[in-house]
Amino acid sequence: QSVLTQPPSASGTPGQRVTISCSGSTSNIRSDTINWYQKFPGTAPKLLFYSNNQRPSGVPDRFSGSKSGTSASLAISGLQPEDEADYYCAAWDESLNAWVFGGGTKLTVL
Amino acid sequence: QVHLVQSGTEVKKPGASVKVSCQASGYVFTTYAFSWIRQAPGQGLEWLGWVSGNNDNTNYAQSLQGRVSMTTDTSTATAYLELRSLRLDDTAVYYCARMSAAGNYFEYWGQGTLVTVSS
Repeated sequence: QSVLTQPPSASGTPGQRVTISCSGSTSNIRSDTINWYQKFPGTAPKLLFYSNNQRPSGVPDRFSGSKSGTSASLAISGLQPEDEADYYCAAWDESLNAWVFGGGTKLTVL
Repeated sequence: QVHLVQSGTEVKKPGASVKVSCQASGYVFTTYAFSWIRQAPGQGLEWLGWVSGNNDNTNYAQSLQGRVSMTTDTSTATAYLELRSLRLDDTAVYYCARMSAAGNYFEYWGQGTLVTVSS
C-alpha cells in the first residue's frame, strides 16, 4: 500500500467539478513538496502542480491544487473528455528520506 | 528545450542485471539531479532514487538498497540506472525524470523503458 492515500477512482460529466484527495502525514504533506501528475496510458507522467499549488506554464487554470492539514487536493473544474487520465500525488517524506506517491486515481469522464 | 531520451526495451532473466540510459539535452546537465521512477503493470508509480547531475551524490529507495546503482556521465549528458539480481516483480516501465532546480518536483520525464523479467 502507498504512503499517500488516494481514492482509486473518480468520475464526472463534462462541465462538472471533480476533486481528488491525497492523504498523508506530517512527515510528507508539506506545502513545498506536494506535486500532482497526470498520466495517460502508455505515456510518461506530466507535471500538473508543484509546491502544492504552483501550476507550470501550459497547464489550464481549470486545474487547481490545495492543502489542508495532512491532506492535499486536486480540483478540476469544467471537466473535459480529454481530462480522463490517471492522477498521482507525490511528496517528499522526511521520515523515510524518500519521495512517496499516492496509489493513483483513475478519472473517468462519463 | 529540455529533452530526455531513454534506451529501448529490455528482456532479462531472473538474476540478471539491466542498465537503462537517459540522454539529456537542452540545458546544463550538471546543474540538475535525476530521479528514477517505475510503474509495474497495473500498479502505481514508485520512486527508486536520485543521482546528482555531477555524479557526486545518490539516494536510493530502501526497497532497492544493494541492488541498484544510479550514475551520470557528464561527458555524454547521460544518466544511468543499473538494477542487479533482477526478480520477476522488477518487470515495469522505468522512467528517468529531471528534478527541478530546488529538487522539489520531477520537472521533465523521459519516455520510459520497458524492462521485462521473465524465465
